[in-house]
Amino acid sequence: QKEVEQNSGPLSVPEGAIASLNCTYSDRGSQSFFWYRQYSGKSPELIMFIYSNGDKEDGRFTAQLNKASQYVSLLIRDSKPSDSATYLCAVNTGFQKLVFGTGTRLLVSP
Amino acid sequence: DGGITQSPKYLFRKEGQNVTLSCEQNLNHDAMYWYRQDPGQGLRLIYYSQIVNDFQKGDIAEGYSVSREKKESFPLTVTSAQKNPTAFYLCASKRREGTDTQYFGPGTRLTVL
Repeated sequence: QKEVEQNSGPLSVPEGAIASLNCTYSDRGSQSFFWYRQYSGKSPELIMFIYSNGDKEDGRFTAQLNKASQYVSLLIRDSKPSDSATYLCAVNTGFQKLVFGTGTRLLVSP
Repeated sequence: DGGITQSPKYLFRKEGQNVTLSCEQNLNHDAMYWYRQDPGQGLRLIYYSQIVNDFQKGDIAEGYSVSREKKESFPLTVTSAQKNPTAFYLCASKRREGTDTQYFGPGTRLTVL
């Protein structure tokens, strides 16, 4: 079982819709959770992090964490073509290291 | 202007050669990391360092070596022992205490000819 799992996609949504990206993790002791966006050929850039159960909102982005079910999600409201990218979920399982999922490719069509 | 720099952006290597990838940060971060990314895959940890003159192996350290002589610098050497070195290499850093957030440099794309 992979430590951090994501659906590789692509997830296709029309412009203006809500994109929902999901991530599950295996280590119940995980403390912190991150979403990175990576454009093709570029390095990952941080979108959000979340530490506590519940929702965390930042502009058009909402991260949701459910530790009991071991999943974390990212919602993107009012999706734009510029949101088209690969979204990486990362989990801190301790020891100052992050474990990354393989990413979900999002395509937002005009 | 704070950030993480990696050089070169593109690197071509002949089989059997060692090459060194540079990573420098002026964020005053204590911890630094090297990852490798292959097409369609996530990031895999090669080495990391939490403090000067100390570093630990990650999940795929074989064929790689690092040094951490200065807080700002964490170079990665890809040795001839690394059998499949063609990949996108990413350096990251973070503060040792507090937030776990890692920030990435722009990456080096290594191709073995």
